[in-house]
Amino acid sequence: GQQLNQSPQSMFIQEGEDVSMNCTSSSIFNTWLWYKQEPGEGPVLLIALYKAGELTSNGRLTAQFGITRKDSFLNISASIPSDVGIYFCAGQWGNKLVFGAGTILRVKS
Amino acid sequence: DGGITQSPKYLFRKEGQNVTLSCEQNLNHDAMYWYRQDPGQGLRLIYYSQIVNDFQKGDIAEGYSVSREKKESFPLTVTSAQKNPTAFYLCASNPGPHSEAFFGQGTRLTVV
Repeated sequence: GQQLNQSPQSMFIQEGEDVSMNCTSSSIFNTWLWYKQEPGEGPVLLIALYKAGELTSNGRLTAQFGITRKDSFLNISASIPSDVGIYFCAGQWGNKLVFGAGTILRVKS
Repeated sequence: DGGITQSPKYLFRKEGQNVTLSCEQNLNHDAMYWYRQDPGQGLRLIYYSQIVNDFQKGDIAEGYSVSREKKESFPLTVTSAQKNPTAFYLCASNPGPHSEAFFGQGTRLTVV
């Protein structure tokens, strides 16, 4: 089936630093979604991308839909302690939605 | 308020028993999904449904069953054939292709 490779697997950064994570696939997707999950909770949607090349921001978060439609990245600027959690990318083709393995983000204050 | 409701939040099951997890949405979404999440792992697709009375197997459907008799409901049964059922189960829905998907709060199933 379709696979997403998400990297890095984890990050431990200093408060105030910028963060970058990405997802790649051998398959084309027509939608990319980025989620954040906190312990014991369901993932919460951060950003949705619908067109190749699209760059979208949500506060300190910026995400892009790759031109090839096989990749996407998420940047977080000026990280704060409440940014900690697991970040997932998801690619959608038709009604099938597949997820990356997640990036665990820890922030040192 | 509109949203997706999963129940119960915690569930304990004896080995050899079937158990059904509930997922209800009042968002009028056509598509619904079930995912399994193991500690430190990503989300793996169990089943999904694009429309009432229709559903497809995901990547790890063995030992699970679903039904979609109503648009708002997509229950998941974890059968005794599932050899390692202890996990966090997440339900999601979206209006259809090329759209945002939203999640419930999850059900943590533990086999005792």
